[in-house]
Amino acid sequence: GDSVTQMEGPVTLSEEAFLTINCTYTATGYPSLFWYVQYPGEGLQLLLKATKADDKGSNKGFEATYRKETTSFHLEKGSVQVSDSAVYFCALRDTGFQKLVFGTGTRLLVSP
Amino acid sequence: DAGVTQSPTHLIKTRGQQVTLRCSPKSGHDTVSWYQQALGQGPQFIFQYYEEEERQRGNFPDRFSGHQFPNYSSELNVNALLLGDSALYLCASSYSGLQNTGELFFGEGSRLTVL
Repeated sequence: GDSVTQMEGPVTLSEEAFLTINCTYTATGYPSLFWYVQYPGEGLQLLLKATKADDKGSNKGFEATYRKETTSFHLEKGSVQVSDSAVYFCALRDTGFQKLVFGTGTRLLVSP
Repeated sequence: DAGVTQSPTHLIKTRGQQVTLRCSPKSGHDTVSWYQQALGQGPQFIFQYYEEEERQRGNFPDRFSGHQFPNYSSELNVNALLLGDSALYLCASSYSGLQNTGELFFGEGSRLTVL
């Protein structure tokens, strides 16, 4: 079945450092790919998405490119802030369905 | 505009008991999905409701059942609770129409502890 694999956390960075969180997927069709973020005490929020190969999703300084050849959707940000501390989930949605398949999440801790 | 609201936020039950969790979708949304998020794990899809019917179901036993009401709100019921049912239960809503962007809007969840 479909699955998503994320790098394990926590990822600990200093403010203004470069961030990469790796995500790879396995799917039989042509899924849409998503990054969701969960801030402490809050629900999941969509961060960015990409619906087809080579699409780049971006939001709040975060970017991820849909790479079909490597089945990856790595999340990047050039300069993280303390307020970016949260748990980040990579997810896919297969064609024709609305259910999301999530990775296990990666906790990001940013220190001043 | 209220987002997705869930109740209760926290509850404690004992093994064998039954629980009902409630969800009101975001205004304008007609589809409700439920997810189970165990500690340190990603959310797992339980089922989805549309037009008051279960449209899709994940790998969860029949002890997990749901309902959607005419106003699109939804309930998740879990019977014969097990210790392993302890988790954060997330409700997500979406719109099924032509303006569907594929985004799910999540509530803050109901944290269930089974003792």
